[in-house]
Amino acid sequence: DAGITQSPRHKVTETGTPVTLRCHQTENHRYMYWYRQDPGHGLRLIHYSYGVKDTDKGEVSDGYSVSRSKTEDFLLTLESATSSQTSVYFCAIRPGERETQYFGPGTRLLVL
Amino acid sequence: QQQVKQSPQSLIVQKGGIPIINCAYENTAFDYFPWYQQFPGKGPALLIAIRPDVSEKKEGRFTISFNKSAKQFSLHIMDSQPGDSATYFCAASISTQGGSEKLVFGKGTKLTVNP
Repeated sequence: DAGITQSPRHKVTETGTPVTLRCHQTENHRYMYWYRQDPGHGLRLIHYSYGVKDTDKGEVSDGYSVSRSKTEDFLLTLESATSSQTSVYFCAIRPGERETQYFGPGTRLLVL
Repeated sequence: QQQVKQSPQSLIVQKGGIPIINCAYENTAFDYFPWYQQFPGKGPALLIAIRPDVSEKKEGRFTISFNKSAKQFSLHIMDSQPGDSATYFCAASISTQGGSEKLVFGKGTKLTVNP
C-alpha cells in the first residue's frame, strides 16, 4: 500500500454527525488525494493537495472539507454526514510529477 | 468532456483466453492513461500506464493499445489466469495547479477467469 495508512478502516456513524478520516504517509510525498468509490461510479476525486496547506476541489467535493497541516497527514472531514456519503474512501499519494498515484487500503464508512 | 467511458461492465473468459477491456475519452487535454487492478476489499493497484505519444505498451501479460486519433485505449490480458479475476479500471490524467493531476476513472470492468 505504498506506505499509506488510513484510519479508521471501518466506521458507522449517524446522519448529522461530523466525521474525520485520516490518511497518513511515511514517504513525505507532496501530492495526496481523496477519492470515494461507489458501485456503478468507479472512483471519483473529492479533494487533492499539492503541498502543506495547498488543497483544491475535485469533482464531488460538496459536503467535504480537507486539511493538510503537515506533509504526512491529509484529513478528510464530513461536516454533517448524510446517508449519500456512505461509501468506501480511498486516499492516494503521488511520488512526483509524471508519476502515477498509489492507493491506500480504504475506509469503509456507513452513515445511518 | 471529463468522462472516461469503459466497457464492458463485466467479462467472463476461460483460462488462457485474452480478455479485452476498452475505454474512450473526449478531452484531448488528458495526457496520461493508467490502468488499475482492484481485488475485493483492497485499494486499486497500478497495473500499467501509457502516454499518448506511444501506441502500445507491454508489461508481462498485460498490453495497452492506444489510438490517439480515435481517443480510445484498451487493455489486453494474454494467457489469462484465475488469479487475474478482479475489477479493472482505466483512468485518464489531466494536469492541474501546483504540478498535480486529476485522475478521471472509468466505471470499472469485473473480470472473471474460469479455470
